[in-house]
Amino acid sequence: QKEVEQNSGPLSVPEGAIASLNCTYSDRVSQSFFWYRQYSGKSPELIMSIYSNGDKEDGRFTAQLNKASQYVSLLIRDSQPSDSATYLCAASPGGGADGLTFGKGTHLIIQP
Amino acid sequence: DTGVSQDPRHKITKRGQNVTFRCDPISEHNRLYWYRQTLGQGPEFLTYFQNEAQLEKSRLLSDRFSAERPKGSFSTLEIQRTEQGDSAMYLCASSFSSGYVFYEQFFGPGTRLTVL
Repeated sequence: QKEVEQNSGPLSVPEGAIASLNCTYSDRVSQSFFWYRQYSGKSPELIMSIYSNGDKEDGRFTAQLNKASQYVSLLIRDSQPSDSATYLCAASPGGGADGLTFGKGTHLIIQP
Repeated sequence: DTGVSQDPRHKITKRGQNVTFRCDPISEHNRLYWYRQTLGQGPEFLTYFQNEAQLEKSRLLSDRFSAERPKGSFSTLEIQRTEQGDSAMYLCASSFSSGYVFYEQFFGPGTRLTVL
């Protein structure tokens, strides 16, 4: 059974600090990983995708992937109150074209 | 550049009734996905299409659920004889793929279903 695990939180981080979100996955076949942000009552919004081991940076966001440890993380630098949301980690066996397996999400709160 | 659209945004129905949702993907996207999300959970994959072909169905998609994408453009998801357990947000996503090149999935606003 494919599983993606996330700490549900809430994770509380002061404004301006680095928020670190973590995710583990069970299916070693998984090749593609995605981070989505979801505000309450809204649909998921894609933040980052990562396919290779290592780091991938996009603005204030850095995704990290370690396939040997089956671990994915998302770092948010200079956290802003508008970053307060639920962050969903998702995995796919293919290039992301297949159905995604999502974690339950981590609720992040940025304290002003 | 319009995103994925879904209609209706909200649907309230009585148990036992049939409901149908529509999804219009991003225009150049050839793949279309349906997910279901309940409170406190991540989205759960239901099914996906490449053009008009339905390529995968989750075991979550019971016999009461059917999805179509007849012309490879918009898609419909029908739930027959609704049950209270069907109450959820139904999300549609689309992406583009060509050969072995795949791109990320983008979600629509969702249809929130309440079964009374």
